[in-house]
Amino acid sequence: TQLLEQSPQFLSIQEGENLTVYCNSSSVFSSLQWYRQEPGEGPVLLVTVVTGGEVKKLKRLTFQFGDARKDSSLHITAAQPGDTGLYLCAGADGGNQFYFGTGTSLTVIP
Amino acid sequence: DAGVIQSPRHEVTEMGQEVTLRCKPISGHDYLFWYRQTMMRGLELLIYFNNNVPIDDSGMPEDRFSAKMPNASFSTLKIQPSEPRDSAVYFCASSFLGTAYGYTFGSGTRLTVV
Repeated sequence: TQLLEQSPQFLSIQEGENLTVYCNSSSVFSSLQWYRQEPGEGPVLLVTVVTGGEVKKLKRLTFQFGDARKDSSLHITAAQPGDTGLYLCAGADGGNQFYFGTGTSLTVIP
Repeated sequence: DAGVIQSPRHEVTEMGQEVTLRCKPISGHDYLFWYRQTMMRGLELLIYFNNNVPIDDSGMPEDRFSAKMPNASFSTLKIQPSEPRDSAVYFCASSFLGTAYGYTFGSGTRLTVV
């Protein structure tokens, strides 16, 4: 089992602030994904990164894959209440399944 | 496509009873995954299928848990007998070509065993 540690575990910020969430592992991944899960729903895919050092942007969200493909970060600019949710990273090791991280629960206060 | 459909959304049962959770994956997806989510342990993979065949069931907690996929459009996860520690949200997810395009999750079944 591949272990992905996410930090922080909980984050509560005011609307308009910036934040960064981290996903770290000692394992190398062939690809890494980020999901957002809202209360009462299943996780929804946000982005996939596959190349070391890759940066992808999705509106106010910026995702980066570490050069060694062992870690990733998610940066949110000017957070809004709609960004509230559980953020999960998931890494694939070349097999057929993703290994999910421990999750970061984000609350954006209006 | 309506996405991955799970039923029921909520299930409350008494300890010792049999519980069956159902999942309809997205048409054309060849992988189906069953996950369990709790606050303490996060999202845990229980079992996954490829083309209706179970590939890895190492995450199934014990013999009380069983899963089947009789055809490409239906899967069940059964717990018999259920115990309070089985209380969790159970998710089904499907994908095309494994990890190539990511997973589509259902809305989950919240199971409470009293």
